[in-house]
Amino acid sequence: AQSVSQHNHHVILSEAASLELGCNYSYGGTVNLFWYVQYPGQHLQLLLKYFSGDPLVKGIKGFEAEFIKSKFSFNLRKPSVQWSDTAEYFCAVTHNTNAGKSTFGDGTTLTVKP
Amino acid sequence: GAVVSQHPSWVICKSGTSVKIECRSLDFQATTMFWYRQFPKQSLMLMATSNEGSKATYEQGVEKDKFLINHASLTLSTLTVTSAHPEDSSFYICSGLAATYNEQFFGPGTRLTVL
Repeated sequence: AQSVSQHNHHVILSEAASLELGCNYSYGGTVNLFWYVQYPGQHLQLLLKYFSGDPLVKGIKGFEAEFIKSKFSFNLRKPSVQWSDTAEYFCAVTHNTNAGKSTFGDGTTLTVKP
Repeated sequence: GAVVSQHPSWVICKSGTSVKIECRSLDFQATTMFWYRQFPKQSLMLMATSNEGSKATYEQGVEKDKFLINHASLTLSTLTVTSAHPEDSSFYICSGLAATYNEQFFGPGTRLTVL
């Protein structure tokens, strides 16, 4: 069974600091990768996704992620965080043989101090 | 992007009663919808995959007789929690799979509290 691991459970940063959240998955086949954000009291929103092509994916709100196939990783980055980035971040994986069914990581809580 | 709604957004019920949660894809057709459960400060756990016109596929450990799923049309799936108990209290989230975008769009969730 596939699994998704997010190494950082809670990250606390000051505004303008750089962010990198780790995500590793365990599946050897072709995968689709996603990062979602869940702001307090709100529903999941897609930040970015990777299906194929350029392994460096740019998403909304200045986020980007890099797919490194050899490391089974899809880390999320942002060069300069803002207080409004305070939220829960989830990495998710689907694979082409699973009809879109996603496996989510445990999530990372990001707190940005003003 | 596509929009998914859920109703109700919050429900409180007594132990032993049944609760129905609706999930609608508002501007796209979702042949597949997914139902998740999220406990506080935890990740989303997939409960079942709902396909229009056929029986739902449940994940291991999810009681299909307790969590009844119906996907009668391309825009509506329902989850009925039967004989709810306090341990069923949770946040239930649905998503619709939009073939055009090849991604899921999530509903805002329904918070169920069973007294």
